[in-house]
Amino acid sequence: EAAVTQSPRNKVAVTGGKVTLSCNQTNNHNNMYWYRQDTGHGLRLIHYSYGAGSTEKGDIPDGYKASRPSQENFSLILELATPSQTSVYFCASWDRGQAPLFGEGTRLSVL
Amino acid sequence: GDSVTQTEGPVTVSESESLIINCTYSATSIAYPNLFWYVRYPGEGLQLLLKVITAGQKGSSRGFEATYNKETTSFHLQKASVQESDSAVYYCALGANTGYQNFYFGKGTSLTVIP
Repeated sequence: EAAVTQSPRNKVAVTGGKVTLSCNQTNNHNNMYWYRQDTGHGLRLIHYSYGAGSTEKGDIPDGYKASRPSQENFSLILELATPSQTSVYFCASWDRGQAPLFGEGTRLSVL
Repeated sequence: GDSVTQTEGPVTVSESESLIINCTYSATSIAYPNLFWYVRYPGEGLQLLLKVITAGQKGSSRGFEATYNKETTSFHLQKASVQESDSAVYYCALGANTGYQNFYFGKGTSLTVIP
C-alpha cells in the first residue's frame, strides 16, 4: 500500500539547535515536498525535489535546508532552529496522474 | 498568480444538516487545473477526499460532492447530511498534471458537527 511516513511525529527543540525531520515514501514517486501548516495559512511549500539528488527551493525556504539522498527519503533540516519555525510539517509525494500523498505530519515546537 | 480561497472557519453545523464549503481558485499559469479536496481528521495527516481533473465533472466520496466549474472558477464542497464523524479540517487545493507541480492550498476550513 502506498505510504508516506514521517518521523518524528512530535519534536521539541531548543532555539539554536539543529533539527532534522525525515520522510520516507514507498510509492516510487519522483516528486517529494515539504510543507508547513500554520493557523490562518494554507500549506506553504518549503522545499521540493524532482528525484534523488535534487532539491529545490519552494515559496518559504529561508532557514531550511533539504536533502534527497534516495528516491524514498527526503529530509528537512533546520540548522539553527528558531521559535518562528514552530509549526506542523507535512511531507508529500506525487507523480503525474495522481493526487499528492501526505504523511501524518510532524509537530515541532522550538522553545 | 495561482491561488485558492475557501470559506473561512470555523464552521459549526448540527448533525443531519446540510453543508457547503466554498472554494474558488485562480489558475493563471496552469492551463488545465486539477482540483482536490483534502481532509485532516484530528491527530491524522491529510487524506485525499476527492479529486476532479476535468472541468464540468463532479467528484464524490463519503457522501461529499464537488463540481469543477470553470466558468465561475469554483469547486465547492457539499454534503446533504453531515455526521459527527465529519468533524475535521477541509482543504481545497489546485494543481496541474505536469512533470513537476506545486500544489496550492486554501487556508483550511475547520468543521465541527454537533450531535
